[in-house]
Amino acid sequence: QIQLVQSGPEVKKPGESVKISCKASGYTFTQAGMQWLKQAQGKSLKWMGWINTNTGKTTYAADFTGRFVFSLETSASTAYLQITNLKNEDMATYFCARARYGWFAYWGQGTLVTVSS
Amino acid sequence: DIQMTQSPASLSASLGETVTIECRASEDIYNGLAWYQQKPGKSPQLLIYNANSLHTGVPSRFSGSGSGTQYSLKINSLQSEDVASYFCQQYYDYPYTFGAGTKLELK
Repeated sequence: QIQLVQSGPEVKKPGESVKISCKASGYTFTQAGMQWLKQAQGKSLKWMGWINTNTGKTTYAADFTGRFVFSLETSASTAYLQITNLKNEDMATYFCARARYGWFAYWGQGTLVTVSS
Repeated sequence: DIQMTQSPASLSASLGETVTIECRASEDIYNGLAWYQQKPGKSPQLLIYNANSLHTGVPSRFSGSGSGTQYSLKINSLQSEDVASYFCQQYYDYPYTFGAGTKLELK
């Protein structure tokens, strides 16, 4: 069965960086792009963008340019989200998800990033 | 960006009742709409895609309808396990956008 397993919770200070992993299994990794979403505590979801797992091409939503980087380790069926120069407003749960046709049928379990001095 | 206005923000209903959640898009999204259920501390789960197609394994008491800019999610015969937050999402155009969510509780 298709599974997306994310790395564990992170606690970081403002200005630090964090790298979250998302390991896919149960399907051919390059069959579908990997999407990233953000959910602050008690809030709705925000789509951050996606990475084409065939070509590595990235697409970022307007609010997630500059400090956010999607990357791949295709041999390990793993996608990564790196956030640099962390700010308080980056504190949230981050999800990877698979969306072949626009809707998100498969989700990772989420990674909580806490930003605190 | 396409704005998704979801209502109500919260809803209290009794077991066995039928509930309806609405989502209005700021422009025509041509049925490019999905509904998700999210329980506390869990990732969202897909319920409906293409406005009215039931995702595999989702109970038939869930249904979606609508067209153009107006869409709705109906839950028939509410069960205790349906207590959750519900979100709509449009995927007609980038950036994908979500409604603010509806928190469903038992009365």
